[in-house]
Amino acid sequence: QQPVQSPQAVILREGEDAVINCSSSKALYSVHWYRQKHGEAPVFLMILLKGGEQKGHEKISASFNEKKQQSSLYLTASQLSYSGTYFCGTEMSDNAGNMLTFGGGTRLMVKP
Amino acid sequence: DAGVIQSPRHEVTEMGQEVTLRCKPISGHDYLFWYRQTMMRGLELLIYFNNNVPIDDSGMPEDRFSAKMPNASFSTLKIQPSEPRDSAVYFCASSSWGGPNSPLHFGNGTRLTVT
Repeated sequence: QQPVQSPQAVILREGEDAVINCSSSKALYSVHWYRQKHGEAPVFLMILLKGGEQKGHEKISASFNEKKQQSSLYLTASQLSYSGTYFCGTEMSDNAGNMLTFGGGTRLMVKP
Repeated sequence: DAGVIQSPRHEVTEMGQEVTLRCKPISGHDYLFWYRQTMMRGLELLIYFNNNVPIDDSGMPEDRFSAKMPNASFSTLKIQPSEPRDSAVYFCASSSWGGPNSPLHFGNGTRLTVT
């Protein structure tokens, strides 16, 4: 039931773009995205509910494709502060009790 | 807003010893979660509470693990006896309600090392 994230790691130069994907084998009710810097706690970025909506937070946005049971996180014009590990957390359609199952994470490194 | 507070930040103990991790959720949050993070298994949900009542503990690995929430502002996760494979970072998180639009607020975690 754990969602699958891809890629596992990505290295960018400042200003470059990246896409992180999160896929589930089961129908999804919502997808959460979190970023964790080394030695720190995961920090909430955004939530997407089923319906295919897209959300944005500064230069970080995400989409949710309900049919494909997939969410993508888009980082545009990346900054050094974007470095960290990104996790998606999914809620299944049949369980809306906020029991998140997290993917394995995508490690992002932004270099000058 | 003080955020979710966990203690201790680091714990080093010997195999067989009892370990108690503590968590104070954000005031007013009805849900409290305990997660464990390791390189091999990622972030795993151990147990969660709603209004101080344990709702799902299916993620608790063994009987050696127990969790309590005696009141709305305090929770503990106890491991007795501890084993080296319990070494991990343990996070406590809280949310304001259990709906799908409720983000988790994580504490800074407790890094547990069992030798």
